[in-house]
Amino acid sequence: QVQLVESGGGVVQPGGSLRLSCAASGFTFSSFAMHWVRQAPGKGLEWVAAISSETPKKYYADSVNGRFTIFRDNSKDTLYLQMNSLRVEDTAVFYCAKDVESSGPGNYGMNVWGQGTTVTVSS
Amino acid sequence: SSELTQDPAVSVALGQTVRITCQGDSLRTFYASWYQQKPGQAPLFVIYGENNRPSGIPDRFSGSTSGNTASLTITGAQAEDEADYYCNSRDSSGNHWLFGGGTKLTVL
Repeated sequence: QVQLVESGGGVVQPGGSLRLSCAASGFTFSSFAMHWVRQAPGKGLEWVAAISSETPKKYYADSVNGRFTIFRDNSKDTLYLQMNSLRVEDTAVFYCAKDVESSGPGNYGMNVWGQGTTVTVSS
Repeated sequence: SSELTQDPAVSVALGQTVRITCQGDSLRTFYASWYQQKPGQAPLFVIYGENNRPSGIPDRFSGSTSGNTASLTITGAQAEDEADYYCNSRDSSGNHWLFGGGTKLTVL
């Protein structure tokens, strides 16, 4: 079945770095755009970044632009989020999500979500 | 505009119809998609496009858009529909994605 499994979360000090991974299975990963979405404790969903399927075009929320980098390895069916200069306000559950459209990201949303990985930024 | 606005909370009697709305300028250009999230779970994709339901989503869920407002309607709400609901769309530039603040649905 179609599945996304995130990993790499943990506790890090402010100013530190962390790399999240999202392993995909059950679909042709290389054909679909992917997103990272986060949710701070007790708060709503916040879109973080997106990457297109091929010759990747990347998109970032203003809150992470310049600090986070989204990238993918289609040979490993894996999506990544490199997070640098982490702040306390980056504390959240991070979800990876598959775009509905092939050759997106498109206009129809995110139809498959992982279970999330927790990032805690604290001294 | 770079925001999608939702009512924080809505309630509905069991078996009745409820509409959850999402307002934003970008909805004049881009479709909204809707997500259901229960405590401790990942979001679940429930409506996309003009009014499309992914496989496995009950037909009591439907969507619509008028002007800058997208709506998710649950016709005959069930106890298991109690959850947080989020709308999502691209922003007006098309280079960012937005989520509404979420609506907590209580089924009485």
